[in-house]
Amino acid sequence: KAGVTQTPRYLIKTRGQQVTLSCSPISGHRSVSWYQQTPGQGLQFLFEYFSETQRNKGNFPGRFSGRQFSNSRSEMNVSTLELGDSALYLCASSGPGQQTTDTQYFGPGTRLTVL
Amino acid sequence: GQNIDQPTEMTATEGAIVQINCTYQTSGFNGLFWYQQHAGEAPTFLSYNVLDGLEEKGRFSSFLSRSKGYSYLLLKELQMKDSASYLCAVRDRSNYQLIWGAGTKLIIKP
Repeated sequence: KAGVTQTPRYLIKTRGQQVTLSCSPISGHRSVSWYQQTPGQGLQFLFEYFSETQRNKGNFPGRFSGRQFSNSRSEMNVSTLELGDSALYLCASSGPGQQTTDTQYFGPGTRLTVL
Repeated sequence: GQNIDQPTEMTATEGAIVQINCTYQTSGFNGLFWYQQHAGEAPTFLSYNVLDGLEEKGRFSSFLSRSKGYSYLLLKELQMKDSASYLCAVRDRSNYQLIWGAGTKLIIKP
């Protein structure tokens, strides 16, 4: 089975721009979670989508948004980029259902640099 | 509230054994996960515990005590490649969300 894929892998933007990141989960997985990780920091939860619905949301401003499509692929968008948004953005998929044993498998991440 | 505590950093010697502790407080517990993350890479799954006791997987073992809100990851026969951060995460029963600890950076010395 192919793993979780994320595109693009690297991105450089300037302040004020917006960005869209994409995540394709493992085939059969219906849950996709997004995390932000800055150097030396743990994983900061952004949001989780399950069957095209946002199931959980972290404490990030409204500039951060996401969606999930019928094929379980997910995108996250950050508008009006700030310098502090520079980070590794990780997506993780799990499934196929709402099982507590469902393990999250991570993609390689998108490294975003805001100048 | 929800809280997960892990030591920030630990140092161990190649060939030795190290135990990384994780304590948690959540409103509803439904499983604990350990992940390994090498610098600049994505986390990879190591182990899952939902019942009390020890789960062994090669050089790595994970222990859980639900009554104490406590888990540990035991790494034996340490190798240089084990230098990484180890993340503890607990699944909240109410919404299936994973609550993450800040991670323990493990440094292996020759």
